[in-house]
Amino acid sequence: GQQLNQSPQSMFIQEGEDVSMNCTSSSIFNTWLWYKQDPGEGPVLLIALYKAGELTSNGRLTAQFGITRKDSFLNISASIPSDVGIYFCAGQLSSGANNLFFGTGTRLTVIP
Amino acid sequence: GAGVSQSPSNKVTEKGKDVELRCDPISGHTALYWYRQSLGQGLEFLIYFQGNSAPDKSGLPSDRFSAERTGGSVSTLTIQRTQQEDSAVYLCASSFQGRRGYGYTFGSGTRLTVV
Repeated sequence: GQQLNQSPQSMFIQEGEDVSMNCTSSSIFNTWLWYKQDPGEGPVLLIALYKAGELTSNGRLTAQFGITRKDSFLNISASIPSDVGIYFCAGQLSSGANNLFFGTGTRLTVIP
Repeated sequence: GAGVSQSPSNKVTEKGKDVELRCDPISGHTALYWYRQSLGQGLEFLIYFQGNSAPDKSGLPSDRFSAERTGGSVSTLTIQRTQQEDSAVYLCASSFQGRRGYGYTFGSGTRLTVV
């Protein structure tokens, strides 16, 4: 399957700090998505991106669809304890594709 | 129901036994997906159902894995002759349509442990 390289693998930050994580692929994606997974739960969609260069915000979260269509980043501003969890990027190769390819996740720990 | 329901939430089985994992999608969702999440890994696509179309089974790792979707609703993922490498969290997701990831709603998963 497609390889999505997500970094960093884990982060430990102080409450109030900003966070940035990114995802790169060897393939061109039609759609980039960012999910968050809490322990014992399934992933929940945070942000969806559909056009190269698109920059989208959802509260304190901002994500961008890279110009090359092979990368995306997610920023979290002014982190709070409930931001703790695993963040996954996911990509869809085409609008007709049946499945998403997921990155290996970034485990975020926020220290109060 | 209000969300995607999976059962059981946890399953411990002996190597060589068969297991069945169940997924109840959100009512009205026509697309249903199974993914596998191994420890420390991302989600691996297994199989996709869309309406009455033939399922996309391209992600099933071996012929020990199979899945059915009865009546366009409930789905069962069956693993025969389980192996220790089958240990993982199996996640089900559903959506109104099969073409956009934004429509996915995931269940909480079934944690399978093969001993």
